[in-house]
Amino acid sequence: DAGVIQSPRHEVTEMGQEVTLRCKPISGHDYLFWYRQTMMRGLELLIYFNNNVPIDDSGMPEDRFSAKMPNASFSTLKIQPSEPRDSAVYFCASSKLAGETQYFGPGTRLLVL
Amino acid sequence: SQQGEEDPQALSIQEGENATMNCSYKTSINNLQWYRQNSGRGLVHLILIRSNEREKHSGRLRVTLDTSKKSSSLLITASRAADTASYFCATRRGDTDKLIFGTGTRLQVFP
Repeated sequence: DAGVIQSPRHEVTEMGQEVTLRCKPISGHDYLFWYRQTMMRGLELLIYFNNNVPIDDSGMPEDRFSAKMPNASFSTLKIQPSEPRDSAVYFCASSKLAGETQYFGPGTRLLVL
Repeated sequence: SQQGEEDPQALSIQEGENATMNCSYKTSINNLQWYRQNSGRGLVHLILIRSNEREKHSGRLRVTLDTSKKSSSLLITASRAADTASYFCATRRGDTDKLIFGTGTRLQVFP
């Protein structure tokens, strides 16, 4: 299996621009998670989906962030408009069972200037 | 909010030595997991221990869980330079779907 795939791997953008991060989970995994990692705040759960349905988005920082999962093999995390404080590494992870082993993608390193 | 707190924050050892990392958490859990993160990479699952288990082994890894003290430890025996990474504990509370990750321990193994 190819594992969790994320794109792009790196993104540099200017403040105010829209950013879209993409994730392809492992086939057959029913859960998909979006995390953000920074030195200051560590690894934070932003939102997660079960069978393509958003279950908990309490970690989404504000209305500038949105996430979708139109089908079982694709999810997006969008930031509009982006701000410098959004600079972080964003990870997507998937799991087959609730609360069990999560498989992480390589992450997208976002820098907002 | 973070459920787990790892201790120490950083650890430096020589190859061949054992490395012990600890994780404390605040509420009752269903399971506790340990992950490794190499620099610039995603997290990799190492081992999962359930609340009714006290010890688990996987290769050079040994994990213990003390639910009365709400703590866990990860022991890496005969460490190698390739073990250099950050190690995170993650807890699953009750029957929730999500994991709460700790702050991590940065392990440096010198050859």
